[in-house]
Amino acid sequence: DADVTQTPRNRITKTGKRIMLECSQTKGHDRMYWYRQDPGLGLRLIYYSFDVKDINKGEISDGYSVSRQAQAKFSLSLESAIPNQTALYFCATSVEGNTEAFFGQGTRLTVV
Amino acid sequence: AQSVTQLGSHVSVSEGALVLLRCNYSSSVPPYLFWYVQYPNQGLQLLLKYTSAATLVKGINGFEAEFKKSETSFHLTKPSAHMSDAAEYFCAVRYSVGNTPLVFGKGTRLSVIA
Repeated sequence: DADVTQTPRNRITKTGKRIMLECSQTKGHDRMYWYRQDPGLGLRLIYYSFDVKDINKGEISDGYSVSRQAQAKFSLSLESAIPNQTALYFCATSVEGNTEAFFGQGTRLTVV
Repeated sequence: AQSVTQLGSHVSVSEGALVLLRCNYSSSVPPYLFWYVQYPNQGLQLLLKYTSAATLVKGINGFEAEFKKSETSFHLTKPSAHMSDAAEYFCAVRYSVGNTPLVFGKGTRLSVIA
């Protein structure tokens, strides 16, 4: 089983709809992140959380919100989806120190 | 703020040739540096990382990278490319102190020609 699990893996939604992407992890890590990937732009940070009571905006947080329901769960919401939010979304986890981030398999979101 | 620049959005090499993917960083404090690989339709996998120990870092699949502070670089190399190396490669940086997330470059797509 994957250590970092994202659901759904693929989603097509209509403009204006609310949608939630979910991430859960079994690694016991305290830090969780949401990134989006667009061709030619790499991965850009949307939000991150260093513990359950800590939420921080990233580079491109406008139009998104997050919820850290528990240490193991970090959800990303699009309150009113728009077509330019069509992208591949990744959840990641890490621990404090010099370690790397561990990524989920991604959620491909298409807004039509 | 920290940042990375990957030179070349697409690199093409022949099978058996040297692979060189370039990454330059900007950081106001000593950085931690990472290279990730993304195969088609998959997530990101760590290739290697520099965390202030040895400046020459060896990773998986025969890749290595050298941290050069004077050049603010962390280029990724592999002596002999295989067809299976075709993928997208991302360089990433974070501060070695404080609470900071990873910041990624825009990626370099590596093609390997038979």
